[in-house]
Amino acid sequence: QTVVTQEPSFSVSPGGTVTLTCGLSSGSVSSSNYPSWYQQTPGQAPRTLIYSTNTRSSGVPDRFSGSILGNKAALTITGAQADDESDYYCVLYMGGGIYVFGGGTKLTVL
Amino acid sequence: EVQLVESGGGLVQPGGSLRLSCAASGFTFSSYWMSWVRQAPGKGLEWVANIKQDGTEKYYVDSVRGRFTISRDNAKNSLFLQMNSLRAEDTAVYYCASMRGGAMDVWGQGTTVTVSS
Repeated sequence: QTVVTQEPSFSVSPGGTVTLTCGLSSGSVSSSNYPSWYQQTPGQAPRTLIYSTNTRSSGVPDRFSGSILGNKAALTITGAQADDESDYYCVLYMGGGIYVFGGGTKLTVL
Repeated sequence: EVQLVESGGGLVQPGGSLRLSCAASGFTFSSYWMSWVRQAPGKGLEWVANIKQDGTEKYYVDSVRGRFTISRDNAKNSLFLQMNSLRAEDTAVYYCASMRGGAMDVWGQGTTVTVSS
């Protein structure tokens, strides 16, 4: 069974840049996996940040960007702000109509 | 305003059934794939099922296939999830989401399902 991997936790200083990654337990992530990224704060519904690797969802600031880095999908946050402190999830399309979420990364801004 | 509102959650005994609904507004519901995603208490997000615009294609995560059925009524702008043979591990907040670009796009606020005796 394919597992989508994310860093369990990450920290960034205010104003700093951080790159979160999304990989596969077996194989490489490509644009054919339509990587997408979501932000979630406790008790709230997820918010879509990025879809189709690097397309920002409506209203998402350009501080958030998506890409493929090596064999993983990546979410880069530049100029981190205090309210970026959240859980971040990626999703990969595995084919055959099936999607798999990563386990999420808890981002701390301090 | 684009909006998705889930309903139908509640407390149910193991082996029981529930039907979740998701009412869509502010967009052309019939033009979009739709998904259900769940989140167990203290855990991450899990994709559950999705359905094509006309309902002719449906896909499920292995753990619910054969127990859950996704459906939609485009005339009523509504998405459904019929959940049978519920287990304790199905306890979660269930979100509906519209899909765009191969991903979840707009999300509802979620409805809570608790499976317990």
